[in-house]
Amino acid sequence: DIVLTQSPLSLPVTPGEPASISCRSSQGLLSSNGYYYLDWYLQKPGQSPQFLIFLGSNRASGVPDRFSGSGSGTEFTLKISRVEAEDVGVYYCMQGLQTPRTFGQGTKLEI
Amino acid sequence: QVQLQQWGAGLLKPSETLSLTCAVYGGSFSGHYWMWIRQPPGKGLEWIGEINHSGSPDYSPALKNRLTMSLDTSKNHFSLNLRSVTASDTAVYYCARGGYSGQLGYWGQGTLVTVSS
Repeated sequence: DIVLTQSPLSLPVTPGEPASISCRSSQGLLSSNGYYYLDWYLQKPGQSPQFLIFLGSNRASGVPDRFSGSGSGTEFTLKISRVEAEDVGVYYCMQGLQTPRTFGQGTKLEI
Repeated sequence: QVQLQQWGAGLLKPSETLSLTCAVYGGSFSGHYWMWIRQPPGKGLEWIGEINHSGSPDYSPALKNRLTMSLDTSKNHFSLNLRSVTASDTAVYYCARGGYSGQLGYWGQGTLVTVSS
């Protein structure tokens, strides 16, 4: 199975400041079609997870442009350019390259 | 707008079968992967398995011996059965719509299933 390791696991931030979360994979996530099969999700308190980023760097529909994804090979990053109060919750990366699909442990962003 | 609405029994005894159904509104089954994910209390997300638009399932190796997923396109829903549950199966269970590469764009509201004698 592909193991995803996120860091940090807890991220205290100040509104208006940037934030960055790392996701490291035990195997490369490059598919044969040239895309990285790595997604990012945000689970706000008491809610179902919501879709943020797909194929490593593409924002899902309706996601504010303060969120960005980047990376290659086995190292991926989610960045928030200016954190807002509504961004609190737990962020997860997930790989879609092979089954079983696996998630990182989650990073709790708190203000 | 696509919506997923799920339901099923929330309290089970050990050895019983967990059964959940997820109805799909506003979209077709074609071209998508229909997944189940669970989250034990206070913990992270775990992929249980998925079934594609053709009805072919793919299960977590850890659960495959107890798991059955099915798709009913005539009723616009898909289902999960997990047999012989134990306390370790206690979790919030989510249904979700994804694609070949993941991309879980739509999620159900979640169902808390508690296994207790």
